[in-house]
Amino acid sequence: EAQVTQNPRYLITVTGKKLTVTCSQNMNHEYMSWYRQDPGLGLRQIYYSMNVEVTDKGDVPEGYKVSRKEKRNFPLILESPSPNQTSLYFCATNEGRGRGVPWEQYFGPGTRLTVT
Amino acid sequence: KQEVTQIPAALSVPEGENLVLNCSFTDSAIYNLQWFRQDPGKGLTSLLLIQSSQREQTSGRLNASLDKSSGRSTLYIAASQPGDSATYLCAFDAGNNRKLIWGLGTSLAVNP
Repeated sequence: EAQVTQNPRYLITVTGKKLTVTCSQNMNHEYMSWYRQDPGLGLRQIYYSMNVEVTDKGDVPEGYKVSRKEKRNFPLILESPSPNQTSLYFCATNEGRGRGVPWEQYFGPGTRLTVT
Repeated sequence: KQEVTQIPAALSVPEGENLVLNCSFTDSAIYNLQWFRQDPGKGLTSLLLIQSSQREQTSGRLNASLDKSSGRSTLYIAASQPGDSATYLCAFDAGNNRKLIWGLGTSLAVNP
C-alpha cells in the first residue's frame, strides 16, 4: 500500500529544545516537501527536495532544516523551536518526473506540534 | 502574487442535496489543479486532479471542472451524504518547483 508516514503525530515541547519530525514514503518518489498549516494562512511550503541530496527553501523556511540522505526519508528539523512554530505539519511526495507527465501529491497524516 | 480563493468558507446543507464548491485562482498558467479533502485532525486526501489540458474529472459522486481562462474550478458533489462532511481544499501547481498554492478551504457540513 502506498504510504507516507510521519512521526510523531502529536508533540508538545518547550522553546529551544531541538526536535525532528520524520517523514518516510514507500513509493520511490523523487520529490518530497514539507508544509505547515495555520488558521487563516492555509498551507505554506517550508522546504522541498527534488531528489537525494537536493533540497531547497520554500516560502517559510526560517527556523527549519531538512536533509535528504535517502530517497525514502525527508526529516524536518527544528534546531531551536519557538512558539510561532506551533502548527500542523504535513509531508508530501510525488513522482517528480517532469512537466507534461500526470502527477499527484500524496500527503502524510500530519504532525501537530505545540511549542510552549 | 499567486492566490487561491475558495467560496463559500463554510456550507451547511441537508443530506441529499447537490452542491457546488468554488475555487478561483490568479494564475492562468497553471499546470494542474487538485482538490483535496481534510477531515478534522487528519491528513489530506486527494480527490481529483485536473491537468491543465483537461476541462473536468469525475470520480463517483464528485466532478471537478477547470476553466483556465476565467481562473476558476468547481467541485460538484452529487447527492451529498453526512460522510461528505469535511473541509475541501483546492490547490494548483503553477510550475514553481511543484509547490502547490492553496486555498483556505470550504468547511462542509451535511446534516442527516
